[in-house]
Amino acid sequence: RKEVEQDPGPFNVPEGATVAFNCTYSNSASQSFFWYRQDCRKEPKLLMSVYSSGNEDGRFTAQLNRASQYISLLIRDSKLSDSATYLCVVNTASGNTPLVFGKGTRLSVIA
Amino acid sequence: NAGVTQTPKFRILKIGQSMTLQCTQDMNHNYMYWYRQDPGMGLKLIYYSVGAGITDKGEVPNGYNVSRSTTEDFPLRLELAAPSQTSVYFCASSYPTDSAFFGQGTRLTVV
Repeated sequence: RKEVEQDPGPFNVPEGATVAFNCTYSNSASQSFFWYRQDCRKEPKLLMSVYSSGNEDGRFTAQLNRASQYISLLIRDSKLSDSATYLCVVNTASGNTPLVFGKGTRLSVIA
Repeated sequence: NAGVTQTPKFRILKIGQSMTLQCTQDMNHNYMYWYRQDPGMGLKLIYYSVGAGITDKGEVPNGYNVSRSTTEDFPLRLELAAPSQTSVYFCASSYPTDSAFFGQGTRLTVV
């Protein structure tokens, strides 16, 4: 099983739609979880951290399920500007292990 | 606030040439990373460092070398460039349990 797995998509959704991405991770010792956004030919940028209690930032909601070892990202009222690749990132921080990035899920929001 | 700075932004190398990609961060982060990203693909970890004087191989280290003599700097050396090393290279830094900040990337073409 890969350390971090995501559905690569693409997810093609109309403006205003709600879309959800899931990500599973294999290391139960993982401590920190993040969603990043990457635009074409640009560097990845932090979208939001993911907490056990769940967290919301405007139209974006992130959830963590430690028992099932997955995290999710929900985008409500999709905008054209949400079109990007969304990367799931897990940080084990035990020993000298680096961040682990998923391959990303591509979202296209269509007018 | 500079964050993570990579130089150069673009470079064309001939097969067999060598070069060093520079990366510096001003956030006093312990961890630094080098990734490569081929078109349409996910990030692949080349090397990482958990502190000055400590480096470790990632998923795709062959053909590359790194050093970490200071907290701020983490240069990536390409020896004997090959067409397979044509890619976008991203440097990133973080605290151990925190999210990572990325540089803007170096677009390298080997011809």
